[in-house]
Amino acid sequence: GAGVSQTPSNKVTEKGKYVELRCDPISGHTALYWYRQSLGQGPEFLIYFQGTGAADDSGLPNDRFFAVRPEGSVSTLKIQRTERGDSAVYLCASSFGGASTEAFFGQGTRLTVV
Amino acid sequence: DAKTTQPPSMDCAEGRAANLPCNHSTISGNEYVYWYRQIHSQGPQYIIHGLKNNETNEMASLIITEDRKSSTLILPHATLRDTAVYYCIVRVPLTGTASKLTFGTGTRLQVTL
Repeated sequence: GAGVSQTPSNKVTEKGKYVELRCDPISGHTALYWYRQSLGQGPEFLIYFQGTGAADDSGLPNDRFFAVRPEGSVSTLKIQRTERGDSAVYLCASSFGGASTEAFFGQGTRLTVV
Repeated sequence: DAKTTQPPSMDCAEGRAANLPCNHSTISGNEYVYWYRQIHSQGPQYIIHGLKNNETNEMASLIITEDRKSSTLILPHATLRDTAVYYCIVRVPLTGTASKLTFGTGTRLQVTL
């Protein structure tokens, strides 16, 4: 596709359930980022992949959050035992990598934990 | 991490230039200044970036002061579709060659008729 694709666009889940959020980056982009955005706030960095490996996961809030990118393309953000505070828009971005290249963002997945 | 300071909101009349300021007084020599904007319910959109020199593209111009402690994003002829939250970001190096974007709360630009 032409841009970063995220699915689903909306997800409503019950407290305590497990959810997976998917990101399809732009073809050829080696770097992939996950961000979380709460209402009225700027996006908050969660994790960054270079290829298949998580090069920096310092933004993951706790061990309920985990992300994978097994083949260096599609990535999945996994949240266990969801809590109401996890409700937010989860954004994915991709880039060619490097300090001077722009990152392209998807439209995000709006997660609501009820 | 170098922090940025932006005014929380600004207004601009349609057709006029919008000048959005940003302070980044603790920026390091190898850190780039990026600008993104986010229109309601969409993902952030890249606008422009620079290191030391002023930059211009089809969307905007970026003016960086000589000491690099501040910058200004200029939208030369603002339209209603430019109404958005504008983020000034100093790009922090990560491991290897990549880097993350650290967003603040941005400036909410309202373009009016």
